[in-house]
Parts: sequence; structure tokens; C-alpha cells
Amino acid sequence: EPEVTQTPSHQVTQMGQEVILRCVPISNHLYFYWYRQILGQKVEFLVSFYNNEISEKSEIFDDQFSVERPDGSNFTLKIRSTKLEDSAMYFCASRKGVASGNTIYFGEGSWLTVV
Amino acid sequence: KQEVTQIPAALSVPEGENLVLNCSFTDSAIYNLQWFRQDPGKGLTSLLLIQSSQREQTSGRLNASLDKSSGRSTLYIAASQPGDSATYLCAVRGYGGATNKLIFGTGTLLAVQP
Repeated sequence: EPEVTQTPSHQVTQMGQEVILRCVPISNHLYFYWYRQILGQKVEFLVSFYNNEISEKSEIFDDQFSVERPDGSNFTLKIRSTKLEDSAMYFCASRKGVASGNTIYFGEGSWLTVV
Repeated sequence: KQEVTQIPAALSVPEGENLVLNCSFTDSAIYNLQWFRQDPGKGLTSLLLIQSSQREQTSGRLNASLDKSSGRSTLYIAASQPGDSATYLCAVRGYGGATNKLIFGTGTLLAVQP
């Protein structure tokens, strides 16, 4: 069964460093997302991406965050200057279309620890 | 603003029991609702999706129902097994353009005792 794959599975970085989290969505999907989950808290929406541009972003997704689909298969989340509070599990997700029957599929996540 | 709540927060049952997990949402104008399973430190596995026009969906021992007017969904697990132990999350997708982000509940941590 097709799946969303994410790398790295775990990354430890120093505060102030840049981090890039990578995702390969399911191949025929058109809508891409990043969510995050701080330990013990709800899964929160960060950003959605369609047709090579951001469709919607949350208030969490400030200027230190950016997303890119550089080559038609990868979908990346960049955090420019990490803060301690960016420590979380980051999930990539994708969906085929907008119909109400379209399931959204999530990857296994990338644990980011900022020290 | 949509709020999604799940009760109970945690549940422990002996193997073989049938159980019900509850999800409530404040805005009934939803496009669909999904139930997910999350194992510790792992990703989200989609279990069932109920479209707004549907009342229930079934997959194996799982049955999810949706009552939009009252803002509620339930996930029924029949004949529970230790392998069902995980956190169960519900998430609603609202209207508002093509992106329709998911709003998640806090989850129910299920432990099935052998």
C-alpha cells in the first residue's frame, strides 16, 4: 500500500540552527500538509500546500518556517532558526483530492529535539 | 472556531470487552470525520473516514458513527485485544476552500489488559 515517508525519523539540533524535514507524499496525491505534535498535546495544523503554493497556514507557521516542493516528489519543511519550543513530532500528510471521501494519509513523523 | 473533545482521556479494559470511544465537536458544519490510531512515538494510522452525509462506517471490529446535528461521533471496538492498545484520535475536516485542514481532538489512551 502506498505510504507517506519522512526523513529523518529523529533529529537533535542546537537552538538557532536550521533544520530541514523531508517528506515523500503518495505519488498521485495533490494536497500536502505539515502538522506537528508537541509531547502530550494535540496534533496541530501548520500548513497546507497545493499547486506549488501555500494554500493555508496557521498562526504557528511564522516567518521562520517555509515549505517547498523542489522536484515534484519531495515536500520539505524548513525551520530557519530553531527554538526550544519547536521541539515536537512533525507529521507530513497528503491527500489525493478535495472530495469528502478522500482520506488524508500521514507519515511516521520526524521527532525534532532542540537543545 | 471548531473545538474537538474526546472522552474519556484514558480507558483500561480487559481483553474481550466491547468498548466505545467518544468524540464531540462544536461546529456541526463538517465535511468529514476521521478516526486515527497512534502508537507511542509513531505516526497516525487512518482507521475510518465518515463523510458528512453518512451515519456510520465499519471496518472489521471497528464501527464509527456520526451524528452531525448533535456534534458527536463514536468509535465502537468489538472484542478488544491487547494489540488494540494505542491512542485513538478523532479529527474533523471543515468547509472553507480546497485545503480543509483537520482539527484534532486530544485523544483517548486505550489499554487492553490480557
